[in-house]
Amino acid sequence: LAKTTQPISMDSYEGQEVNITCSHNNIATNDYITWYQQFPSQGPRFIIQGYKTKVTNEVASLFIPADRKSSTLSLPRVSLSDTAVYYCLVEGNAGNMLTFGGGTRLMVKP
Amino acid sequence: DTGVSQDPRHKITKRGQNVTFRCDPISEHNRLYWYRQTLGQGPEFLTYFQNEAQLEKSRLLSDRFSAERPKGSFSTLEIQRTEQGDSAMYLCASSPDGGVEKLFFGSGTQLSVL
Repeated sequence: LAKTTQPISMDSYEGQEVNITCSHNNIATNDYITWYQQFPSQGPRFIIQGYKTKVTNEVASLFIPADRKSSTLSLPRVSLSDTAVYYCLVEGNAGNMLTFGGGTRLMVKP
Repeated sequence: DTGVSQDPRHKITKRGQNVTFRCDPISEHNRLYWYRQTLGQGPEFLTYFQNEAQLEKSRLLSDRFSAERPKGSFSTLEIQRTEQGDSAMYLCASSPDGGVEKLFFGSGTQLSVL
């Protein structure tokens, strides 16, 4: 399984765009990149998943460069309720020991 | 859509006691995972079921831990002779079969061992 590296924490202000980058230098050909969000005392919640280029949904965008050795989660116009821990996972269909790293603690300030 | 349900939400026990947690996955999901999470850390994989078959177990899952999914629906996680180091949030997640994993988590069971 590809290991991921994320910043431990980030601060932002309401209304700003937040970009969280995840490094995964050893990503395999069949690996996908998945991001989860976790609030205190809750289980993680799926945000977005992609393989290459750009994926966008109603919550976020995911940018993946051609070499796929990193990915960036983009949260547009964050609000206080986006304060959470964000996890980047890299995994493929083969093997199912999905591994979470330490995540990035995002603090959104008013 | 009832989501993943875990019971109980909180459990306080004394060291040496046995505890059992239950997870009810989303009904059409064949895959079920158990994770453990301590304060400030990401979830740690414990074990994984495909229907009733336990396919993967982490080395974190000592002999005191056992998980079952007898009919391929709900699952139980039992911890025997609990230790203070077992205090953690125990998370269950389920996923539909096929394709890339997309996990749906429950709210977890918070275990405190006194």
